[in-house]
Amino acid sequence: DTGVSQDPRHKITKRGQNVTFRCDPISEHNRLYWYRQTLGQGPEFLTYFQNEAQLEKSRLLSDRFSAERPKGSFSTLEIQRTEQGDSAMYLCASSLVGGHGYTFGSGTRLTVV
Amino acid sequence: DQQVKQNSPSLSVQEGRISILNCDYTNSMFDYFLWYKKYPAEGPTFLISISSIKDKNEDGRFTVFLNKSAKHLSLHIVPSQPGDSAVYFCAASAEGGTSYGKLTFGQGTILTVHP
Repeated sequence: DTGVSQDPRHKITKRGQNVTFRCDPISEHNRLYWYRQTLGQGPEFLTYFQNEAQLEKSRLLSDRFSAERPKGSFSTLEIQRTEQGDSAMYLCASSLVGGHGYTFGSGTRLTVV
Repeated sequence: DQQVKQNSPSLSVQEGRISILNCDYTNSMFDYFLWYKKYPAEGPTFLISISSIKDKNEDGRFTVFLNKSAKHLSLHIVPSQPGDSAVYFCAASAEGGTSYGKLTFGQGTILTVHP
């Protein structure tokens, strides 16, 4: 088990472009979470899945953001029409229902120029 | 609305001494609390947690204390080691027990342990 993998590690994109990030959770974990972290702040919740079902979405997740977990395994987070304010570290985590503590990936750092 | 607050952006401690990191919360629905440690270029790593039915949980050099009436928790590291130097995040859940979903994080405290 290699932990939670996120791809890419870094992404630089021009404003207005679409970007997609991928997260591969720990294989036996049924919950998968997306968080966003900006400099000097703690991670902010975006959304989470239990298996394929998206159980909760933050109001931070505007219409330009969409997340999927089609087969209850990996997940993708897409940002359409990126804005400079989207520049942040996007963190994925996974857990077992009833488990103690998430396992986070190393994150994808997005820079919108 | 910052529901979880870590009011000390940084803390500097001598090796071998105690490090005390503090966290305050405002949401009475929070019933499970966690501490995470983060090194640069890595994701946060789970450190220790406590349920609201307890007031103390200990794991080796790490102890978390919860004061529900004051809506305050603290992480004690004894003895502190240079490898403990990292950013520490307090987090809280309102989902109940260990089946937490969304976590609300504080802003983090940068701990530096000097040799």
